[in-house]
Amino acid sequence: KAGVTQTPRYLIKTRGQQVTLSCSPISGHRSVSWYQQTPGQGLQFLFEYFSETQRNKGNFPGRFSGRQFSNSRSEMNVSTLELGDSALYLCASSLTSGRAEQFFGPGTRLTVL
Amino acid sequence: AQTVTQSQPEMSVQEAETVTLSCTYDTSESNYYLFWYKQPPSRQMILVIRQEAYKQQNATENRFSVNFQKAAKSFSLKISDSQLGDTAMYFCAFMNRDDKIIFGKGTRLHILP
Repeated sequence: KAGVTQTPRYLIKTRGQQVTLSCSPISGHRSVSWYQQTPGQGLQFLFEYFSETQRNKGNFPGRFSGRQFSNSRSEMNVSTLELGDSALYLCASSLTSGRAEQFFGPGTRLTVL
Repeated sequence: AQTVTQSQPEMSVQEAETVTLSCTYDTSESNYYLFWYKQPPSRQMILVIRQEAYKQQNATENRFSVNFQKAAKSFSLKISDSQLGDTAMYFCAFMNRDDKIIFGKGTRLHILP
């Protein structure tokens, strides 16, 4: 069974631009969660989608948004990029929402110049 | 606010030794989940072990075990017979009743040959 895949793996953008990251969950998984990992703040929860609905949201500004499609694939969008958005963005999928085991993807490394 | 604290930013031990990683958390909830995740260098994060707060018995997964002290809000990870492949960043995480997950800053563990 294929694991969680994230595209692109690396991305370089400039301040003010917007970016869209993609996550394909493990087949059959209906929940997708997104995390931001930085050296300073560590791992922080962004949001979770389950059956195309946002089920949970962390404490991030509205510039960070996401969506989930009927095939459970998810996208995350960051608008008006700031230098501080440079991070590794991790996606994790699970069979169901809540406390099911999460399986992580390799991440997308975003650099904002 | 709920927090997770890992007091050891970095540790090194010899191969085959036993090592314990510390984690404390702060919450007023009584029912929650605790996790240890492992993030090897340049590889995907994986779940090592999970503990449900209402279970008094400490979780065990092969060489990995936890010491869960609910009253002290402590959740340490013990790795027995450490192997070179255990070299990784280890994150302690807490999931609250709203299913939001909060991570500690991590402990970088080096297993020395």
